[in-house]
Amino acid sequence: AQRVTQPEKLLSVFKGAPVELKCNYSYSGSPELFWYVQYSRQRLQLLLRHISRESIKGFTADLNKGETSFHLKKPFAQEEDSAMYYCALSGGLHGNKLVFGAGTILRVKS
Amino acid sequence: NAGVTQTPKFQVLKTGQSMTLQCAQDMNHEYMSWYRQDPGMGLRLIHYSVGAGITDQGEVPNGYNVSRSTTEDFPLRLLSAAPSQTSVYFCASSSGQAGSNEQFFGPGTRLTVL
Repeated sequence: AQRVTQPEKLLSVFKGAPVELKCNYSYSGSPELFWYVQYSRQRLQLLLRHISRESIKGFTADLNKGETSFHLKKPFAQEEDSAMYYCALSGGLHGNKLVFGAGTILRVKS
Repeated sequence: NAGVTQTPKFQVLKTGQSMTLQCAQDMNHEYMSWYRQDPGMGLRLIHYSVGAGITDQGEVPNGYNVSRSTTEDFPLRLLSAAPSQTSVYFCASSSGQAGSNEQFFGPGTRLTVL
């Protein structure tokens, strides 16, 4: 069964502090992993995907198949990073089906 | 391009009423899906479609029907609304091409069932 676990409902950090949003997954094949972000009053949007291996808005995420993790990291948090972050997995016959984690609210305090 | 549009933005129903949530996309995407977002549960897939005339059930399909008569439109029908269907509903679309699984989301419909 496909499952995505985000253990933290809320992560609160001070501006300038490092951020790590945790994501663990279970999947028997080779999944695609994504991070989606939802800023206040905006629609859900893709932040980054493991295939592209790029940094977006200072965020990076590395797929660790041994630990089945895809943690989202940023060295210095900014207030505008405050949002809801969802880790998602895509795999199987219909690769576009996404399984989402419960989400983590990131609050960056000044 | 308008992207993915959803109507209405807000809706209040009484138990037992029916309604249709509209979703349209102008990106010629083959793949469309409906999710519901509930606190502490993330987004859960209700139904999806891989092309016009083809639909399938997701994780939580009970109480919902869909159809896909055109590439652009993917309406979600609640036949007899229940309080458990109070949620925020998101429609999404993607090109469906290998290596291009980014899904584009609509703004959401906030539904309350009394």
